[in-house]
Amino acid sequence: TQLLEQSPQFLSIQEGENLTVYCNSSSVFSSLQWYRQEPGEGPVLLVTVVTGGEVKKLKRLTFQFGDARKDSSLHITAAQPGDTGLYLCAGAKTGGFKTIFGAGTRLFVKA
Amino acid sequence: NAGVTQTPKFQVLKTGQSMTLQCAQDMNHEYMSWYRQDPGMGLRLIHYSVGAGITDQGEVPNGYNVSRSTTEDFPLRLLSAAPSQTSVYFCASSYSSGVNNYGYTFGSGTRLTVV
Repeated sequence: TQLLEQSPQFLSIQEGENLTVYCNSSSVFSSLQWYRQEPGEGPVLLVTVVTGGEVKKLKRLTFQFGDARKDSSLHITAAQPGDTGLYLCAGAKTGGFKTIFGAGTRLFVKA
Repeated sequence: NAGVTQTPKFQVLKTGQSMTLQCAQDMNHEYMSWYRQDPGMGLRLIHYSVGAGITDQGEVPNGYNVSRSTTEDFPLRLLSAAPSQTSVYFCASSYSSGVNNYGYTFGSGTRLTVV
């Protein structure tokens, strides 16, 4: 069974701080996605990375796919209260037929 | 711009009852999947489909059936509801090149309680 482990599980920080969330696995993925979910809603796709070593930036969010395509990180610069939510990573093997999710990192940014 | 539509949003069932959760997408996506989300466990894959007429089991398929007669619709059937099936259910669809899944669009979820 392939597993995606996210850390930390919970993070509470002050507005303006930086943070990094990690997503690790022993499996190799052809693509990895990051989502953000707010209470009562479905997850919303933030980014998909497909190439080992790839780095993508989305405003204050930086996503990196590990060289071996087994892990990924999400770095947020100068966090804002609007960044509060559940961050989920998801990995798909070649063909994308089965996409599995990590348990998530719950982020709370205090004003 | 409907995206992925799930109905109903809320449902209470008695143990042993059956029901169908509806899911429809209007983006012509090949992939559709059903996930359940339980506290502290992330999303777990129940069943998925790579196209009309093709379905397969995910991580937790027991107690659920699916069919995919059209590209747009992917209903999830609970055969005989059990309290362990109390959860939030999400339907998702995605485009794929055949090699990579480029990311899901999720519905807003169905919150199911089995008493």
